[in-house]
Amino acid sequence: SAVISQKPSRDICQRGTSLTIQCQVDSQVTMMFWYRQQPGQSLTLIATANQGSEATYESGFVIDKFPISRPNLTFSTLTVSNMSPEDSSIYLCSVEVPGLETQYFGPGTRLLVL
Amino acid sequence: GQNIDQPTEMTATEGAIVQINCTYQTSGFNGLFWYQQHAGEAPTFLSYNVLDGLEEKGRFSSFLSRSKGYSYLLLKELQMKDSASYLCAVPVPSGGSYIPTFGRGTSLIVHP
Repeated sequence: SAVISQKPSRDICQRGTSLTIQCQVDSQVTMMFWYRQQPGQSLTLIATANQGSEATYESGFVIDKFPISRPNLTFSTLTVSNMSPEDSSIYLCSVEVPGLETQYFGPGTRLLVL
Repeated sequence: GQNIDQPTEMTATEGAIVQINCTYQTSGFNGLFWYQQHAGEAPTFLSYNVLDGLEEKGRFSSFLSRSKGYSYLLLKELQMKDSASYLCAVPVPSGGSYIPTFGRGTSLIVHP
């Protein structure tokens, strides 16, 4: 299995500011995923972050709004830029562990934008 | 492209059995996952099916039919703590790898 931690666990932010969410894994993984889960909805993939390459963004998400870093095989950050109330959501980091056919999720970051 | 459908909400009685269905369409199949998500928590892995048939794991079982693009999660001897959202997920081929894609989730309410 993989143990994933995220920081912060929750935050309340003002409109127009930015927040960087950190994701730390206790083992080396190739692929890390960032998801958004809005209230009452399922998970929507924002982007896939591979170490040593640019993140791949899904339709509807752009790098200027959600810049991602992946400096090594155990860590990634997602920044939510120029926030608006529509960005209020849970942001989840996820990893795919080599050899195990499953994804593991971090505890999530609960973001409220006022 | 891909499309994953599952019912929005189901209710059941404690001690009963419930079956949550999931249908999918994908251009390249690489297994199907079920996750459980309690309110306010992250999803947790329940099962992974890549071959046809039934996989049993305690009170939970998962079935897959690749030819029909169909899976179900079977929960037996329901307990109140089973009230949660159940997510069906299919890895979708993209650029040489597989991108996990989730259904909208089925909210299961277990009542006494």
